[in-house]
Amino acid sequence: DAKTTQPTSMDCAEGRAANLPCNHSTISGNEYVYWYRQIHSQGPQYIIHGLKNNETNEMASLIITEDRKSSTLILPHATLRDTAVYYCIVRASGAGSYQLTFGKGTKLSVIP
Amino acid sequence: DAGVIQSPRHEVTEMGQEVTLRCKPISGHDYLFWYRQTMMRGLELLIYFNNNVPIDDSGMPEDRFSAKMPNASFSTLKIQPSEPRDSAVYFCASSLLLDEQYFGPGTRLTVT
Repeated sequence: DAKTTQPTSMDCAEGRAANLPCNHSTISGNEYVYWYRQIHSQGPQYIIHGLKNNETNEMASLIITEDRKSSTLILPHATLRDTAVYYCIVRASGAGSYQLTFGKGTKLSVIP
Repeated sequence: DAGVIQSPRHEVTEMGQEVTLRCKPISGHDYLFWYRQTMMRGLELLIYFNNNVPIDDSGMPEDRFSAKMPNASFSTLKIQPSEPRDSAVYFCASSLLLDEQYFGPGTRLTVT
């Protein structure tokens, strides 16, 4: 799997959009970008994933640059419950691509 | 669905004792994963099963660790004998095909 680079920590004011960047400059054509988060003392939680098109679900939006070398996870209206460590993971599709390699992630603190 | 269920949530044991961690995956999921999380090493994949069959156990640290999945709704991770360096949070996760993984709440193991 390609390596990813994320900032160690970020702050966001409650109610504002949280934009979490991720660099994955060595990503391959068949590799997806996945985002998970881990709230303190809980198991990781799937947020969203995408290949090359922007994706949106009830939790967040994922913006992937045209060259696919970086992406941004957007939480449109951050709440205190969004305080967590956010992991950007690159993973190939298909059989044999089960591995989720968690790095150190970005610790997002939502400030009241 | 209740999600992935793990038991116990906390386990404190003495060095040399046998420890058994349990996991009930989400009904219908065909993949089951065991992870370990420590401050030093982060989240690491230990082993995963597909349709109850172990596929890759290369992450299992030593012969002291073993995992079984006797049926589609139950898996165990056993450590015998346990050592202080096994202290960690152990997560079980399940997925349908190789889509997003759903994690349980984890078992916090302390070996004294």
